[in-house]
Amino acid sequence: NAGVTQTPKFQVLKTGQSMTLQCAQDMNHEYMSWYRQDPGMGLRLIHYSVGAGITDQGEVPNGYNVSRSTTEDFPLRLLSAAPSQTSVYFCASSYLAGIAYEQYFGPGTRLTVT
Amino acid sequence: AQTVTQSQPEMSVQEAETVTLSCTYDTSESDYYLFWYKQPPSRQMILVIRQEAYKQQNATENRFSVNFQKAAKSFSLKISDSQLGDAAMYFCAYRTPRETSGSRLTFGEGTQLTVNP
Repeated sequence: NAGVTQTPKFQVLKTGQSMTLQCAQDMNHEYMSWYRQDPGMGLRLIHYSVGAGITDQGEVPNGYNVSRSTTEDFPLRLLSAAPSQTSVYFCASSYLAGIAYEQYFGPGTRLTVT
Repeated sequence: AQTVTQSQPEMSVQEAETVTLSCTYDTSESDYYLFWYKQPPSRQMILVIRQEAYKQQNATENRFSVNFQKAAKSFSLKISDSQLGDAAMYFCAYRTPRETSGSRLTFGEGTQLTVNP
């Protein structure tokens, strides 16, 4: 099992550019989510999905887009990068049933927008 | 909406000593789950310990234990016999079973723990 994988590990973008952060899991988890981590603010939920074809907004969704065409993949798209999106991004997954089930996190992507 | 507060941005402890990290939360739910995650410099998020709100007994995992005070909405983490490898950012997190999202976590701001040799 590879667990949760994220690519790339690091990325530098110019303001206005777009890009996609990739996330994949091989544990057949129904639930997948994206968080951003900023100093002093913990992790904040951007978007999440409870299954293929089903997505919803989290706490800070503006400027981001997601889709879930398969159980395994949950890409995060930055439509027009802004310096405020400089952050570390984490993808996480878990089972839905068994609500105490652990969320598994990917290694994170450090994004810098200049 | 639920909130989680960690009032200690930084803590330090001597190797082999005991340290307690604080966490408080606000919720109107009676059934929920609480977690402590560790984030070492590698950035990887690692689950340290979990507590189900309906359980009165405090959770324990080796050198890690919690003091769960449901009425006070407090969930502190005690690390005994601290080791150099315990140095990390620690996050407290809350999860409710009632949301349709099922697995949504709300995190505190984090506490940076330094372990001095």
